[in-house]
Amino acid sequence: EVQLVETGGGLMQPGKSLKLTCATSGFTFSNVWMHWVRQSPEKQLEWVAQIKAKSNNYATYYAESVKGRFTISRDDSKSSVYLQMNSLKEEDTAIYYCTWGALDYWGQGVMVTVSS
Amino acid sequence: DVVMTQTPVSLSLAIGQPASISCKSSQSLLGTSGKTFLNWILQRPGQSPKRLIYQVSKLYSEVPDRFSGSGSETEFTLKISRVEAEDLGVYYCWQGTHFPLTFGSGTKLEIK
Repeated sequence: EVQLVETGGGLMQPGKSLKLTCATSGFTFSNVWMHWVRQSPEKQLEWVAQIKAKSNNYATYYAESVKGRFTISRDDSKSSVYLQMNSLKEEDTAIYYCTWGALDYWGQGVMVTVSS
Repeated sequence: DVVMTQTPVSLSLAIGQPASISCKSSQSLLGTSGKTFLNWILQRPGQSPKRLIYQVSKLYSEVPDRFSGSGSETEFTLKISRVEAEDLGVYYCWQGTHFPLTFGSGTKLEIK
C-alpha cells in the first residue's frame, strides 16, 4: 500500500524557518520524482517544488513564490523528501502535501500557519 | 504561468443525474511530445486529493467508468454519467505540460 506521511508543520512567526518531512512507503521511492503542493485556506492548490530522481541528478525546481526561500531535498535511503522553508511569510500559510510522479498519490497533508 | 479556469464553481445534483465540469487553459496544453498533460483530481471532504484522470481521458484503474474526460488544446471536460453519493467533493483540473504545474480553482459537487 502506498503511503506518504507529512510531519513538521506548526505555527510560526514571519521570518522564521520550518522543515517539513514526508516519509513514504509502498513504492520504489528512489525512482520517482517528488513534489510538494500546498493548499491555501481558500482551498486553492499551488505547486511548490519538485525534486527529480538520482538518474536526473536530483534536479530541483521551484515556484517563483518560494524560490530562494524554500529548499526541497530527499534521502533515498529513508524514502523521504523534505522541504526546508526559510523566511516564512504569512502567505505561506497552507496545508502542505507531498505527492509523486504525475501527482499520483498524496499524503494527508500538514498544516503550516505563519502569523505574528 | 498557464491559467486554468474551471466552471461552474459549484454543482448540486441528485443521485443518478449526469455532471459536467469545464476546464479551460490560457495556452494550448498539447506538448512537444504530442501528449496533452491535462489531468483531474478529486478532493473529498476532509481528505487529500486523489487522482482521477490523466492525459485528458485516461482513467486510473481504480476510477469507475462512469467518469470520462475529453477535450483538446485549451478546452477540456470532465463528465460523470450518473452521479453517486461518493462523488461529492471538489474537482480540480491541473496541467503538467508547461512549467510550473498549475491548477484550476475547483468545482464543488454537492449531492441534493
